[in-house]
Amino acid sequence: KQEVTQIPAALSVPEGENLVLNCSFTDSAIYNLQWFRQDPGKGLTSLLLIQSSQREQTSGRLNASLDKSSGRSTLYIAASQPGDSATYLCAVKSGSYIPTFGRGTSLIVHP
Amino acid sequence: DGGITQSPKYLFRKEGQNVTLSCEQNLNHDAMYWYRQDPGQGLRLIYYSQIVNDFQKGDIAEGYSVSREKKESFPLTVTSAQKNPTAFYLCASSSVTEAFFGQGTRLTVV
Repeated sequence: KQEVTQIPAALSVPEGENLVLNCSFTDSAIYNLQWFRQDPGKGLTSLLLIQSSQREQTSGRLNASLDKSSGRSTLYIAASQPGDSATYLCAVKSGSYIPTFGRGTSLIVHP
Repeated sequence: DGGITQSPKYLFRKEGQNVTLSCEQNLNHDAMYWYRQDPGQGLRLIYYSQIVNDFQKGDIAEGYSVSREKKESFPLTVTSAQKNPTAFYLCASSSVTEAFFGQGTRLTVV
């Protein structure tokens, strides 16, 4: 059974810092990996999707990398802003195409 | 305007009552999912459906039921057998690649 772990569970940084959020998974036979953002009391917003054949994806200040063989993905946030404060979740699709989630990283960026 | 609509946003249930959460999508996705989110627990899969008229139990299906009579709709019923139903419920749909989520329904037992 696929298990997804996210480290750290929580992070508090000053504005302007570059951040790295980590996601690891136990079964490397994945179809894709997706990073989401969740604001308090809201649904999930898709940030980046990486197919199993890809190494990375970029969108604005966000860059996600995938190392399938080692079971790891990182989400890099450049020049963090207070508006980036949210919970970030990664989800892995494998086996029966069902997304399996980590518990998320709660990020606070203070001015 | 394509997306997933969950309703209601807030729902209150008395103990012993069944309640139904609505989830509708116009993305033409075959697969739909229901997750439950509790503080510190992440998202846990309740039920999923990969095609109309078929659905499967997830990791925490006890006390819940679903139907999938139409491609666009995947309602979740929280029955009185669910002992701790207070939670945030999220519905998702997915193509072969990307998953999309609704805005969630917060259910509270009063």
